[in-house]
Amino acid sequence: NAGVMQNPRHLVRRRGQEARLRCSPMKGHSHVYWYRQLPEEGLKFMVYLQKENIIDESGMPKERFSAEFPKEGPSILRIQQVVRGDSAAYFCASSPAGNEQFFGPGTRLTVL
Amino acid sequence: GESVGLHLPTLSVQEGDNSIINCAYSNSASDYFIWYKQESGKGPQFIIDIRSNMDKRQGQRVTVLLNKTVKHLSLQIAATQPGDSAVYFCAEKERGGSNYKLTFGKGTLLTVNP
Repeated sequence: NAGVMQNPRHLVRRRGQEARLRCSPMKGHSHVYWYRQLPEEGLKFMVYLQKENIIDESGMPKERFSAEFPKEGPSILRIQQVVRGDSAAYFCASSPAGNEQFFGPGTRLTVL
Repeated sequence: GESVGLHLPTLSVQEGDNSIINCAYSNSASDYFIWYKQESGKGPQFIIDIRSNMDKRQGQRVTVLLNKTVKHLSLQIAATQPGDSAVYFCAEKERGGSNYKLTFGKGTLLTVNP
């Protein structure tokens, strides 16, 4: 059973560009969570989604950030007009029913 | 606001020794705690969890202790091995709150010397 998959693993963007981060949950998992990790910091909750629904986006900045988890395909975390402060590792986790979360390897975003 | 934090940012031990990683939390409403291990370049990996109605829980080579009186959590690793080298995070969930929203501490870097 493949684990949570994220791609790309590393992403470099210039200020003002868009970043798209993808997360494929484990098979059978319909709950997806996104976290952001700044250097030498713990993970910070951003958003929780179930298929086609955003359940809780209280940790996500109101502007420039959006997330979706369509009926078909991976969950997408989208960051528009990136700034240097967006540089971080973004982790996705999935769970079968809102319980134990399994984390992916992360996407490391660098904004130049 | 209330948060989960760690006493020691780094810990260096000799292979074979026991390791103790500490975590202080300030949210008295937290009733569930998890320890994660994060190796370089990887995502956090679940190690062990404990609910607030317990004081101690043991796994394979790991033990978590919870002291609710002083709001302190520790992770003990027996016979530490080089493969245990990683950053260790404690995380909490709040009673009555969203059971999916984890609050992480900053982490402790454990280095095991051969």
